[in-house]
Amino acid sequence: DGGITQSPKYLFRKEGQNVTLSCEQNLNHDAMYWYRQDPGQGLRLIYYSQIVNDFQKGDIAEGYSVSREKKESFPLTVTSAQKNPTAFYLCASSIWTSGSYNEQFFGPGTRLTVL
Amino acid sequence: GNSVTQMEGPVTLSEEAFLTINCTYTATGYPSLFWYVQYPGEGLQLLLKATKADDKGSNKGFEATYRKETTSFHLEKGSVQVSDSAVYFCALMGRRALTFGSGTRLQVQP
Repeated sequence: DGGITQSPKYLFRKEGQNVTLSCEQNLNHDAMYWYRQDPGQGLRLIYYSQIVNDFQKGDIAEGYSVSREKKESFPLTVTSAQKNPTAFYLCASSIWTSGSYNEQFFGPGTRLTVL
Repeated sequence: GNSVTQMEGPVTLSEEAFLTINCTYTATGYPSLFWYVQYPGEGLQLLLKATKADDKGSNKGFEATYRKETTSFHLEKGSVQVSDSAVYFCALMGRRALTFGSGTRLQVQP
């Protein structure tokens, strides 16, 4: 089955630690995205990547870092510089067709809690 | 910049009632519009989409029409079920990525 997987489902971090969230897709999609969701709010864009070895900051990139070494993978690192990292993190991907990106497909999410 | 405004929730309905969730947007040009649904503890699932003005997206009894005159994309369903209880997000495709509304929680009571 094609899809997007995220791991772990739940993650706990102590203050001052960096943690990495995994996102893998086997849909052969060109673009991948990371969003953050806080309770009662919509999704906010952290980073996105349209091709391998290239990525761009979204609206709330401070305190986060990413890499895109393979088309299938787009891991997100939450660094200690992120002051309020407790949130639900969603990874998504989309394909470029007919001159634009189409709908995004989402993974199941990772819930990060800072202890 | 782009923005999406949704009606605040929660929306509480009885089973078989008619549903409308309002969505309006601000954007340059005519972006593709989407409705996503999120069940508790899960990621988002695409519910329906419309890529140009006057298009009607539909899926699982839900419908929404792309109205460029009113910059709206309201979600409707004629008869809701308890299983429709979820959070619904309206979104538009910008140059970089999706821009989402804040979401509307729907609660359907038996």
